[in-house]
Amino acid sequence: NAGVTQTPKFQVLKTGQSMTLQCAQDMNHNSMYWYRQDPGMGLRLIYYSASEGTTDKGEVPNGYNVSRLNKREFSLRLESAAPSQTSVYFCASSGPVNTEAFFGQGTRLTVV
Amino acid sequence: DQQVKQNSPSLSVQEGRISILNCDYTNSMFDYFLWYKKYPAEGPTFLISISSIKDKNEDGRFTVFLNKSAKHLSLHIVPSQPGDSAVYFCAASAYGAGNMLTFGGGTRLMVKP
Repeated sequence: NAGVTQTPKFQVLKTGQSMTLQCAQDMNHNSMYWYRQDPGMGLRLIYYSASEGTTDKGEVPNGYNVSRLNKREFSLRLESAAPSQTSVYFCASSGPVNTEAFFGQGTRLTVV
Repeated sequence: DQQVKQNSPSLSVQEGRISILNCDYTNSMFDYFLWYKKYPAEGPTFLISISSIKDKNEDGRFTVFLNKSAKHLSLHIVPSQPGDSAVYFCAASAYGAGNMLTFGGGTRLMVKP
């Protein structure tokens, strides 16, 4: 059982370049999320999708876009990467309300 | 302003003793609380949760306590084992907000053999 799968695991970008982080889950969950983790700040929500066809901004959405391609897949796009977007990115999915979210292994992104 | 705070960035405990990790929150709408454990280069993994209608939840060596009046929760690990060494995140979700989680900054637990 794969759970939540993210690609790539590592990426180095130059300032101004674009890229898409991919995420897929095989647990038939309705809700999916993108978080970023920075030292001392825990994980902060970038965007979420409560169900297929819907997306909403989280705490730190600026500089990002998302697409809920279907129930399984939720991608995060950086249109013009900035050094402030250097971080570790986690995708997650969850089922019914008040149940735990399951996380992918993360993508370590460095913008130089 | 952080709505969920873990004021101790690190904690060191001897193997076999109790580890107590603390978490404070400010949002009165939080009604579900979780603890996640994270090893380096891995995603967070769910450990234990508690609903706001309870004040205690136990799962093996792990117990979470919730004090709603103080807006405080704690995770007790007894007995602590070297394999418990990791970063622990407290998280909370608010009523009506689905499973969107607000995380604390994490506490690094080191269990010494």
